[in-house]
Amino acid sequence: AQTVTQSQPEMSVQEAETVTLSCTYDTSENNYYLFWYKQPPSRQMILVIRQEAYKQQNATENRFSVNFQKAAKSFSLKISDSQLGDTAMYFCAFVIWGAQKLVFGQGTRLTINP
Amino acid sequence: DAGVIQSPRHEVTEMGQEVTLRCKPISGHDYLFWYRQTMMRGLELLIYFNNNVPIDDSGMPEDRFSAKMPNASFSTLKIQPSEPRDSAVYFCASTRGGQVNTGELFFGEGSRLTVL
Repeated sequence: AQTVTQSQPEMSVQEAETVTLSCTYDTSENNYYLFWYKQPPSRQMILVIRQEAYKQQNATENRFSVNFQKAAKSFSLKISDSQLGDTAMYFCAFVIWGAQKLVFGQGTRLTINP
Repeated sequence: DAGVIQSPRHEVTEMGQEVTLRCKPISGHDYLFWYRQTMMRGLELLIYFNNNVPIDDSGMPEDRFSAKMPNASFSTLKIQPSEPRDSAVYFCASTRGGQVNTGELFFGEGSRLTVL
């Protein structure tokens, strides 16, 4: 079975700091995609960043970057220069290539303090 | 396009009552997913449909839960009878085939269910 584990239920940092959210996953498949989603209080789900498992280079989207360690099945999200608008629940997720089943973790509630 | 539309946005009911949650996917999307979000378990996939046909319902917790998609523009998730442990936010999401691999699921705003 495919599973995703986010071991940090809550995190809190000061504005402008850098924060890293952890995620580990378990699968026996070799081809898959990994994602981080942001869920602000409005409950809207927003795709933040994605990583193809076959790519060694870590994905980057502006202030958001990932540290993908395939052998360790680890996929952490780093937010640089954090902003108040980054306050949200963050979900790690993955999907096996060719499948349609997106599996999510439990989420990490991130608070950016002024 | 209006996006994925869910109703009701909030529902409070008493244990034992029937609950029906509704979803209108984005036009042209052939996949529809129902997720449940709780603090303890995060987002869990309950069931998904392709071209109105249920493909995987292994996440449906028990027989009290049922889902239907009578046409391409409407789906329901029904809980009968409801129990307090069913309290959660239920999300509907839709996408076109292949776009799941890019993470491009379009979520509704969710239905917050409280069972007293």
